[in-house]
Amino acid sequence: GQNIDQPTEMTATEGAIVQINCTYQTSGFNGLFWYQQHAGEAPTFLSYNVLDGLEEKGRFSSFLSRSKGYSYLLLKELQMKDSASYLCATSSGGYQKVTFGTGTKLQVIP
Amino acid sequence: DTGVSQDPRHKITKRGQNVTFRCDPISEHNRLYWYRQTLGQGPEFLTYFQNEAQLEKSRLLSDRFSAERPKGSFSTLEIQRTEQGDSAMYLCASSRSGGYTFGSGTRLTVV
Repeated sequence: GQNIDQPTEMTATEGAIVQINCTYQTSGFNGLFWYQQHAGEAPTFLSYNVLDGLEEKGRFSSFLSRSKGYSYLLLKELQMKDSASYLCATSSGGYQKVTFGTGTKLQVIP
Repeated sequence: DTGVSQDPRHKITKRGQNVTFRCDPISEHNRLYWYRQTLGQGPEFLTYFQNEAQLEKSRLLSDRFSAERPKGSFSTLEIQRTEQGDSAMYLCASSRSGGYTFGSGTRLTVV
């Protein structure tokens, strides 16, 4: 089965750093995605972790621990435009089906 | 390459009517997925195609739902005898390997 948990909402201050955690229990786990979704829009790809460790991409970094079933998305130097929902999703099975969590709604305040 | 295209962007229909949505994936992507998303939730998997073959259907996809991908190119999702509970954003995504690229979605409102 598939089970993905992430906080429902978070608030952070412009210019600060925020970490969004995700835990998962996924059969046939391949890798973990993070997507950003602004209200009323489609999700956009942020990162994909297959191996343990931290991957950095500009202001965004994503971490994965396969043994712990744990990932986080780290956003640095927050900007107002970063206010969005952040979806944790796991890829599993032979054809890499993606299952999404419910998303974490991040509000960046001045 | 203009990405994944979905049509229409918005659809308002009366309960009991049939609706059909279209998805044009990125041309070299052989995998195509349909998801449904309601407010405050993540996208929920509906069905998956590899080329023209429909390889998996979710239990969410009742008998009123049908999806096709003739010739392994564009795909259609049809909902028959729509119900108010069908109101949602219907997202199409395609991939070759690794991450999905999503279309902008079709927002369905059943009144």
